[in-house]
Formats: sequence, structure tokens, C-alpha cells
Amino acid sequence: EIVLTQSPDFQSVTPKEKVTITCRASQSIGSNLHWYQQKADQSPKVLIRFASQSFSGVPSRFRGSGSGTDFTLTIDSLEPEDAATYYCHQSSSLPQTFGQGTKLEIK
Amino acid sequence: QVLLQESGPGLVKPSQTLSLTCTVSGGSISSAGSFWSWIRQHPGKGLEWIGYISDSGSTYHNPSLKSRASISMDRSKNQFSLNLSSVTAADTARYYCTRYERGIFDDWAQGIQVAVSS
Repeated sequence: EIVLTQSPDFQSVTPKEKVTITCRASQSIGSNLHWYQQKADQSPKVLIRFASQSFSGVPSRFRGSGSGTDFTLTIDSLEPEDAATYYCHQSSSLPQTFGQGTKLEIK
Repeated sequence: QVLLQESGPGLVKPSQTLSLTCTVSGGSISSAGSFWSWIRQHPGKGLEWIGYISDSGSTYHNPSLKSRASISMDRSKNQFSLNLSSVTAADTARYYCTRYERGIFDDWAQGIQVAVSS
């Protein structure tokens, strides 16, 4: 099973700040890494697919990069509505797995 | 985009079988290339993939559940289901049904909270 490790687990940030969340895979997964946002009491929603492809309807301030084992989700100029927990997910091999999540708190 | 809605009991007794159904609208579960999946989230925790069933009926279940999970589909009702046997308190979680297509879980239901308790 591929283990995904996110960092940090928690971050308190101010609006307009730039945020970087990392996801490291226990073995190479190519670009088969996706990012989701889960707001309080909601289902997760796709932000980025295949490491760097924006998903339909997602604001352009969300960017993804990386390949192999190291990936990054960047939020340029954080908005108050970005308070959420962010998860990475790998579809390279079964069973599919998720990172433990990174919770963003807006100051 | 499809709409998904879970149904089932919110409380299950230990050692019994948890049974949930997901009704899909706005698209067919027989649509080529679609996989229909169950994911759960323990209270305050991350996401755990339970498994999925393909449009053709092939299934994969996460080995972490030690063969307790079974996913099936009813094409006539455009539904798919999860049975999880021999439940314990560790199976208390919010269960989501989702569509998996082209690498991502792109459509999610709102989730159903299930507690295991006597």
C-alpha cells in the first residue's frame, strides 16, 4: 500500500497569504496524485487532478505541482473561504489511498 | 455531473452487518469508464477508501477491511450498495458514496453517519 504523508498537519494563516502544502508518497506514483478540499460538514471536492491539472470550476489561485514522490498544493493569495482540510489522493495503485489531511485555519 | 444519495440505518449493533445503498441520478451506473465507490471518514479523521465496483460489475475491496466489505450493484434501480459484516465500534464513521472516473472521485454524496453500538 502506498502511504501519502502530508505536511503540515495544521496551519494558521492570514488572508492574502501564500500557502504551500506538501504530499510525499512512499514510492513513485508518477503524476497520479490529486488534491481535494473538504470544508466543515461538507463532502470533499476535487481541486487538482494528476498533480497539476486544474479541475473545472476551481479558482485559479489553487495550483498543483510535482511528480514521482513529491507534490505540492499552492494557494496563492488565500481567501477566507479557503478554510478547510486538504487531502491528497493517489490513484497509481490499489488500494487507493489518501494523505492524513492538512487543516487550514484562517486567522 | 451525477447526483448520489446514500440511504441506510444510522445505527448498527456490534457483530451485525452494515448495509448502505447509494442511488445515482443524472447518469447511469452502467456508463462505460465509471466506477462506483465507497469511502469512509472516522470522526475527526481522514479518508479511507473501502472499494469500488465498475460499470461492468467488477469489484475491488480494500484489503484493510479483511474481506468484510462487499460492494454490489442493481442496474434496474441505478443503485450500488455496501455490505460490511461483523462490525465493531471501529466501523463508526461517516460513509460516502462517490463516482470514480478518470482517476478522481469527482462526484460525492453528502455522506451518511453510521454508529456501531449496542
